[in-house]
Amino acid sequence: AQSVTQLDSHVSVSEGTPVLLRCNYSSSYSPSLFWYVQHPNKGLQLLLKYTSAATLVKGINGFEAEFKKSETSFHLTKPSAHMSDAAEYFCVVSDASGGSYIPTFGRGTSLIVHP
Amino acid sequence: SQTIHQWPATLVQPVGSPLSLECTVEGTSNPNLYWYRQAAGRGLQLLFYSVGIGQISSEVPQNLSASRPQDRQFILSSKKLLLSDSGFYLCASSRTSGGHTGELFFGEGSRLTVL
Repeated sequence: AQSVTQLDSHVSVSEGTPVLLRCNYSSSYSPSLFWYVQHPNKGLQLLLKYTSAATLVKGINGFEAEFKKSETSFHLTKPSAHMSDAAEYFCVVSDASGGSYIPTFGRGTSLIVHP
Repeated sequence: SQTIHQWPATLVQPVGSPLSLECTVEGTSNPNLYWYRQAAGRGLQLLFYSVGIGQISSEVPQNLSASRPQDRQFILSSKKLLLSDSGFYLCASSRTSGGHTGELFFGEGSRLTVL
């Protein structure tokens, strides 16, 4: 079975300061991990993904995440927040358990960026 | 990459009326298809997924049903809407070949308000 926990429901930062959104996962197989972003009343857009290649993954808009197997974590970071980063972020785990890659979503983290 | 078309974008329906939300996929064959619901300020709830034509798995008991009449068409329906069916509905697709990992491609969503 797979599961994912986003440790913060809300994160508030000032523009220009670093962003850290935390995600821990559980998986019995070699998982794929994803971060998606959702702006209000929009669909979800893929930010980045880990699929058993390099453990440090770079995504769009300056975001990156590091897969740490020993800590079962996949935290999302960005060196400097922009106002346009304000959105909902979802961490997702997917593995081959059950014979099919059915993704499991975290509950989401709302990123608030103050001017 | 895949493109997901989802309609209608916005829908206001009275309690007890029927519902039909449609989703079509371009850019892939034999995808896994998903319907998610997102209540206001909450995460994504997986409602249905399909691994092939006519194959529907339901994740939660509810007032809704899903059908997959064609390989790249997924329909969400209800015979009689409830107030609790209000929410933001998202259709998603994932590949099933060529190194599939569970990465999801999303439509823009359908906002349903039941009055």
